[in-house]
Amino acid sequence: GAVVSQHPSWVICKSGTSVKIECRSLDFQATTMFWYRQFPKQSLMLMATSNEGSKATYEQGVEKDKFLINHASLTLSTLTVTSAHPEDSSFYICSAQRGPGAAGELFFGEGSRLTVL
Amino acid sequence: GEDVEQSLFLSVREGDSSVINCTYTDSSSTYLYWYKQEPGAGLQLLTYIFSNMDMKQDQRLTVLLNKKDKHLSLRIADTQTGDSAIYFCAVASGTYKYIFGTGTRLKVLA
Repeated sequence: GAVVSQHPSWVICKSGTSVKIECRSLDFQATTMFWYRQFPKQSLMLMATSNEGSKATYEQGVEKDKFLINHASLTLSTLTVTSAHPEDSSFYICSAQRGPGAAGELFFGEGSRLTVL
Repeated sequence: GEDVEQSLFLSVREGDSSVINCTYTDSSSTYLYWYKQEPGAGLQLLTYIFSNMDMKQDQRLTVLLNKKDKHLSLRIADTQTGDSAIYFCAVASGTYKYIFGTGTRLKVLA
């Protein structure tokens, strides 16, 4: 099956620093990638939809200046958590869509666990 | 808004069948998915069904869709300890937006 790689798998940072998480589709081109946040024992919360070459579409309640998303190429999207604080600690998962519309399959990255001290 | 609900926990004995249920509210959902999440990992697509189908079988997995009741289920035959994980159902309509359920934690007892 298709492979989506996230990096880093986990990161610990100090409060106030910025952290960048990469999401790559390794064997297909993804015009659309999604970023999710998952709190312990909860479902995935969609943060934003990232389309190659255009601005990301953020879900209600997600601060776009806090969570910067860049989809520079058809195989790479990045999420930067700016000025991270302990409440930003979470498991962040990306997914890449292969194929258009709702028929497209979603392939998920392994997730990145962020801990902000 | 759209909502997808699942029961939180399910416990079964090894070798038994597991049935995980999911209800959704968006009647325009066209694709319905089941994902598996193992501890500390991302999601793995298990299977999916189109809304014009009522059943799909894939080896040990059987998906049943009752579109009238907006009810989706995943049956795992001969459940093994390796099946212990969280199972998420997700629905998608004509847009790119996927709505995920709360996840069902399946525990398989030896």
